[in-house]
Amino acid sequence: AQKITQTQPGMFVQEKEAVTLDCTYDTSDPSYGLFWYKQPSSGEMIFLIYQGSYDQQNATEGRYSLNFQKARKSANLVISASQLGDSAMYFCAMTATGAARQLTFGSGTQLTVLP
Amino acid sequence: EPEVTQTPSHQVTQMGQEVILRCVPISNHLYFYWYRQILGQKVEFLVSFYNNEISEKSEIFDDQFSVERPDGSNFTLKIRSTKLEDSAMYFCASGRGAHGETQYFGPGTRLLVL
Repeated sequence: AQKITQTQPGMFVQEKEAVTLDCTYDTSDPSYGLFWYKQPSSGEMIFLIYQGSYDQQNATEGRYSLNFQKARKSANLVISASQLGDSAMYFCAMTATGAARQLTFGSGTQLTVLP
Repeated sequence: EPEVTQTPSHQVTQMGQEVILRCVPISNHLYFYWYRQILGQKVEFLVSFYNNEISEKSEIFDDQFSVERPDGSNFTLKIRSTKLEDSAMYFCASGRGAHGETQYFGPGTRLLVL
């Protein structure tokens, strides 16, 4: 079974600074996907970034990058140049095996960007 | 840009009543999912649907739950006899990729069971 661990229940960052949100995972599957989603206070789940387990390079999407360290089983999200609108809950997730790959989520990190 | 839509956005119901939550996935996606999030907790998988049948379901998805794709666009979650503990945000997602792994979520339906 897959497991995702997010050890930071809350984080604060100053506007325009970079912040790293931690995520570690556990799986016995050789092939898997790792994701980050953003959940603002309005409640929707916004897809941010995806990393495949066989991808050689770390994924990047604009100000988001995923620091993938396979040997350590970590998939940290880095947000550069934080903005006030980045304040939200952030969930790390991974795909399960099976024909339709449902996501297993971590418990989330509440990020607050300070002006 | 196409997006997943869900109706209603909020639903209040009495314990024991049936509710149907509706979703319109992204049109060219083949994999569909329901998740729920109890207030303040993490998102939990309920069920996945592919090729007009359930692909996987979690232990939460008991006999009180059912899913349907009644036509080419809608995807519904029915809870037959709601319990207080069914109060949660319910998210529909549709997936692209070889196994639907890149999933896009709808805005959710907040269900409150009284």
